[in-house]
Amino acid sequence: GQNIDQPTEMTATEGAIVQINCTYQTSGFNGLFWYQQHAGEAPTFLSYNVLDGLEEKGRFSSFLSRSKGYSYLLLKELQMKDSASYLCAVKNSNYQLIWGAGTKLIIKP
Amino acid sequence: ETGVTQTPRHLVMGMTNKKSLKCEQHLGHNAMYWYKQSAKKPLELMFVYSLEERVENNSVPSRFSPECPNSSHLFLHLHTLQPEDSALYLCASSQDAGSGANVLTFGAGSRLTVL
Repeated sequence: GQNIDQPTEMTATEGAIVQINCTYQTSGFNGLFWYQQHAGEAPTFLSYNVLDGLEEKGRFSSFLSRSKGYSYLLLKELQMKDSASYLCAVKNSNYQLIWGAGTKLIIKP
Repeated sequence: ETGVTQTPRHLVMGMTNKKSLKCEQHLGHNAMYWYKQSAKKPLELMFVYSLEERVENNSVPSRFSPECPNSSHLFLHLHTLQPEDSALYLCASSQDAGSGANVLTFGAGSRLTVL
């Protein structure tokens, strides 16, 4: 079967750095997405990786290793507003999006 | 208005009721989607429409009936639902239905409670 694994919940401190991991097993690969979802709100697009390596976008970076079936989202200089769920999703060879269950990130002062 | 708008935001219905969820996108996208989001579970794709034609139906029970009258509007008609259908129903749109870097724009969802 196809699945995406990511931690259910993580806690970090304001101003610190946190890394949210995502491992995947899918039939083929056509890209990996990260979305952010605040409670009661719409998921919003954060990043897309299709080649190995690190993509940096301000305080957020996303890394991909296709050979390891692994990605992480790195959040620096954490702010209280970063408290949200982070969803990892992989597009397989049929261009279907396979979703993880999401990681709830709690930021403490 | 911009983005993807869903109404109603909250809905409580009995198992014998008939109700509809509405989604509207103002982005000029060609594809629209219905997803079901349950607590601590991955998003479940229900339906995909591309240029107003249904291109994917992931074995969804017939008590859920989608309708896409044009590329900007999507409905989900609900009939004789079960309590396990209680969830957040998310609508999304994208430029196209296929391709790799297809970014989804989501609405805020309709929170459905079936009594």
